[in-house]
Amino acid sequence: ETGVTQSPTHLIKTRGQQVTLRCSSQSGHNTVSWYQQALGQGPQFIFQYYREEENGRGNFPPRFSGLQFPNYSSELNVNALELDDSALYLCASSRNRGDTEAFFGQGTRLTVV
Amino acid sequence: KNEVEQSPQNLTAQEGEFITINCSYSVGISALHWLQQHPGGGIVSLFMLSSGKKKHGRLIATINIQEKHSSLHITASHPRDSAVYICAAPPPNTGNQFYFGTGTSLTVIP
Repeated sequence: ETGVTQSPTHLIKTRGQQVTLRCSSQSGHNTVSWYQQALGQGPQFIFQYYREEENGRGNFPPRFSGLQFPNYSSELNVNALELDDSALYLCASSRNRGDTEAFFGQGTRLTVV
Repeated sequence: KNEVEQSPQNLTAQEGEFITINCSYSVGISALHWLQQHPGGGIVSLFMLSSGKKKHGRLIATINIQEKHSSLHITASHPRDSAVYICAAPPPNTGNQFYFGTGTSLTVIP
């Protein structure tokens, strides 16, 4: 059973606003990746954090930023929201940055209006 | 062109049918994952494999590294198998930085 929790589960924001999404990793996991899943599409990699440092980034603009805390929980921040940012945002944690075994959270459904 | 391609996109089957979902990839990978996503959005990992074949209950996953192809089979399908099935693979040494397929939406009719 996954120990990865995300909050909130659903969120509605207005275009131009800023949003913060949160992810609590599985116990003992120091690596977390964030993904954006548009409706009907597969998830797209946003970035990965390992021990509080960004360790890889996908093709997303700088208004997508992240943070990882000493307890390895993580945040995804999106500034200047656009309608196309409406999506399911998923995080996945792994024990270490080289591990491909990953546990996924339930996701946060963001709607931008 | 996506690094990971899946087929079919949608699949409807009668209960009891044998189901196959295919995944091909164009990049070097360290392992390939089969994932299941239910309507609520959460993703569950079904298999992680880097060679050969794995079986769990009615689910079987195979991978052919030379051909860069993997298949997920469901034997004796059941309505509770209805979900989106996604294959995902990370480039080597990137951990959980996955490339994902677009998913196969499976509906099993009683």
